[in-house]
Amino acid sequence: DAGVIQSPRHEVTEMGQEVTLRCKPISGHNSLFWYRQTMMRGLELLIYFNNNVPIDDSGMPEDRFSAKMPNASFSTLKIQPSEPRDSAVYFCASSLEASGRAGYNEQFFGPGTRLTVL
Amino acid sequence: SQQGEEDPQALSIQEGENATMNCSYKTSINNLQWYRQNSGRGLVHLILIRSNEREKHSGRLRVTLDTSKKSSSLLITASRAADTASYFCATVGYNSGGSNYKLTFGKGTLLTVNP
Repeated sequence: DAGVIQSPRHEVTEMGQEVTLRCKPISGHNSLFWYRQTMMRGLELLIYFNNNVPIDDSGMPEDRFSAKMPNASFSTLKIQPSEPRDSAVYFCASSLEASGRAGYNEQFFGPGTRLTVL
Repeated sequence: SQQGEEDPQALSIQEGENATMNCSYKTSINNLQWYRQNSGRGLVHLILIRSNEREKHSGRLRVTLDTSKKSSSLLITASRAADTASYFCATVGYNSGGSNYKLTFGKGTLLTVNP
C-alpha cells in the first residue's frame, strides 16, 4: 500500500494567494483528518471527515480555510487568501472508524505539506 | 481540554539505556495513543491502549495507563540511535457534543539517543 499521499510536499506562496493542499487517503479507510503543526501550537486537528462527510470542523481557524472531500479517495484543504501566520506543516491522516467516530483506531499520517507564506 | 501533556519536553540518553516518557491528561478518555515523528516526517503510530487496559507491549515498547491518575508512560528499552525522534501522546475522548470521539495531541517529548 502506498500509504497516505499528500501534494505538494512544499509550497511557497505570497500573502493573499490561494493555496490548495491535496490528500489521497489509504484505500479502504473511511475517515480522513487534516492537521496543522507549528512550533507554537503543536499539532492541531482542523477537520475530519467520515464517509466523505465533514463531522467536526471546529478546529478550522477561520473562514479563509475550507476543506472538501468529493469522494473516498481525495480531499483538499484550501486557504484563500493566505497569510504569513498560516505558515506551518499540514498533515493529512486516514483511518478506518465506526460511523461518526474519530480516534477509536490508529491513524496513518501522510508526509505533510510544508507551507510558507511570504 | 483533554489534551495530553508529555513530560519531559526533551530527553537525552546513551544508546542501550532505557527511555521513559510520561503523559498526563485532564478528562476521561476512550483510549490513549503514542506516535513517533522523525524530523521532517509524518507521524507514525506506535501503540494504542484502551481505557480498560493497564499495560501493553510491542517489541521494545511498553505502555502503561493509569486512569485514576490520568497518566500514561511510554518505555523504550535498549534504546538505539534510530529511536531519536519526537514522541507524542494523543488522547481520545468526546467532543463538546458528547457524541463523537476526538483525538488531541500533546506537544511531544524530543528524545535524543546518542551513539
